[in-house]
Amino acid sequence: GESVGLHLPTLSVQEGDNSIINCAYSNSASDYFIWYKQESGKGPQFIIDIRSNMDKRQGQRVTVLLNKTVKHLSLQIAATQPGDSAVYFCAEPIAPGGYNKLIFGAGTRLAVHP
Amino acid sequence: GAVVSQHPSWVICKSGTSVKIECRSLDFQATTMFWYRQFPKQSLMLMATSNEGSKATYEQGVEKDKFLINHASLTLSTLTVTSAHPEDSSFYICSASSVGVDTQYFGPGTRLTVL
Repeated sequence: GESVGLHLPTLSVQEGDNSIINCAYSNSASDYFIWYKQESGKGPQFIIDIRSNMDKRQGQRVTVLLNKTVKHLSLQIAATQPGDSAVYFCAEPIAPGGYNKLIFGAGTRLAVHP
Repeated sequence: GAVVSQHPSWVICKSGTSVKIECRSLDFQATTMFWYRQFPKQSLMLMATSNEGSKATYEQGVEKDKFLINHASLTLSTLTVTSAHPEDSSFYICSASSVGVDTQYFGPGTRLTVL
């Protein structure tokens, strides 16, 4: 079935380094992807999104890359800070009936060490 | 903008009682609200989708008579866990979206512990 999944369950990085979190999807017709950050005990927070007509989109310290050929997207965080420690989910909306249900990947825990 | 609140943030109840969780969109009209459940160290699992003024659509395996959802207005949806049992203990998160908006905005979650 259609799914959105992650390659790495846990990523440990040193403060100041760049982080790369990966996500694979299976539906070649997917045209929109979202990255969420979830801190412990909190709800997911929107980080950045990208549509399939783009290969790259940049935000503040974050960049999302989309490779439609291999159905892969990544979230890059520059100069990772302790406050970036969280679980990161990629998500894909599916819109049966226009309700935009989201399918979440398994999540990657990012641990930032001083 | 796009702020979603939940109340309560945590609740402890005895087995057999019912618990109501509120989800509010504070600065926009949410035509659609979603309810998720999340167990420790796991991803979010969609429970149901509700549209204002309509009956909720439940995902497969979710008991609609146990998890009652009401979406009476464009800013409020409620989830009632009826006859709660310890296995219902979880982190319940709502999200809200509007027509034409692909992104969902999430509430802070409600931690339910059933003793």
